[in-house]
Amino acid sequence: AQSVSQHNHHVILSEAASLELGCNYSYGGTVNLFWYVQYPGQHLQLLLKYFSGDPLVKGIKGFEAEFIKSKFSFNLRKPSVQWSDTAEYFCAVNPYNQGGKLIFGQGTELSVKP
Amino acid sequence: GAGVSQSPSNKVTEKGKDVELRCDPISGHTALYWYRQRLGQGLEFLIYFQGNSAPDKSGLPSDRFSAERTGESVSTLTIQRTQQEDSAVYLCASSLRASGLYNEQFFGPGTRLTVL
Repeated sequence: AQSVSQHNHHVILSEAASLELGCNYSYGGTVNLFWYVQYPGQHLQLLLKYFSGDPLVKGIKGFEAEFIKSKFSFNLRKPSVQWSDTAEYFCAVNPYNQGGKLIFGQGTELSVKP
Repeated sequence: GAGVSQSPSNKVTEKGKDVELRCDPISGHTALYWYRQRLGQGLEFLIYFQGNSAPDKSGLPSDRFSAERTGESVSTLTIQRTQQEDSAVYLCASSLRASGLYNEQFFGPGTRLTVL
């Protein structure tokens, strides 16, 4: 079955630390890839997306992600986190031949200590 | 409207009752999606609409769940004879189209359903 796996359920960092959140998916065909973020008390919003082209994509607030096709991975990175990055992060995959359906990972809660 | 809206924001119901959850997509968005998020879990796809047809209903957990959409606007998710395991946040999203470059989905605030 198609699935998305996020390696960490809860990550705790100090401000200015670097961040990498892992995401792996199981699907052999073409995919579109997304990272969504949910800040406390807010609804899900798009952080960044990959459809094609340069596998290194940049999103809002200094986040970036790299698509490595051979590893079925789409890891999220940020060189220096801020307290305001405290949120839950979800990786999602859209298999290309399945319309708009998104398959989500279970989410990673990020807590940044000031 | 400016974003996806959902109503009610909270719904508490008794086991066995029927509930209806409503979603208003962003104007001009032809695709609409329903997801469910149980406590401590990721989002689980339920169904999506392209216009008022539903090409993929594969995520609906049982025949107690149904959804409809009027044209390219409002959608209603109905859960009949609710069970405690139906307790979750039900999220709606919309996008310009259901595929390709136009598949960026914008999410509503969700409806928190509690079945007692």
